[in-house]
Amino acid sequence: GESVGLHLPTLSVQEGDNSIINCAYSNSASDYFIWYKQESGKGPQFIIDIRSNMDKRQGQRVTVLLNKTVKHLSLQIAATQPGDSAVYFCAERTNAGKSTFGDGTTLTVKP
Amino acid sequence: EAGVAQSPRYKIIEKRQSVAFWCNPISGHATLYWYQQILGQGPKLLIQFQNNGVVDDSQLPKDRFSAERLKGVDSTLKIQPAKLEDSAVYLCASSRSGQGNSPLHFGNGTRLTVT
Repeated sequence: GESVGLHLPTLSVQEGDNSIINCAYSNSASDYFIWYKQESGKGPQFIIDIRSNMDKRQGQRVTVLLNKTVKHLSLQIAATQPGDSAVYFCAERTNAGKSTFGDGTTLTVKP
Repeated sequence: EAGVAQSPRYKIIEKRQSVAFWCNPISGHATLYWYQQILGQGPKLLIQFQNNGVVDDSQLPKDRFSAERLKGVDSTLKIQPAKLEDSAVYLCASSRSGQGNSPLHFGNGTRLTVT
């Protein structure tokens, strides 16, 4: 069956360091992979996505890497700031719009 | 643009009571989703609408949950009767289309506590 999982439930980094959040997925048929950020009391917020035919995509301070060989997805956050503290979810999405979410990694940024 | 609006923000009910949640998606978004998020877990899809038609309700416990989107805009999700395990945050999301390249926009959810 489909499942999307994250390697670590929690991650703590020092302010200014780079953060790497990892995710493993199992559905080879997914067409898009997405990272969401969820702050306390709020809904998930779209950060960045990547199509299955790509291996890297960059945004503002964020980079997503996709390794289809090992079914691995990662989110890199450069120069992590206190405002980056949140729960991060990876999700996979088919062309038909069906999304499956993993269970999240809680990122804590220490000042 | 205005985001996805949900109400109420919080609801506390006793088991076996009924409850309803309301969602107003982003204007022009054809696709609307209801997700259940249990504490510490990722959101799980309950139902997906395309305009006012149901696209996917395979994960909706139909013996107690119902949802409608009568005019293809606002939607309501109802639980009757509620069980303790229904305690969760209920998230509404919308997207411009139901295709994979159309990102989801989430509301802030309704936190339901069943006692």
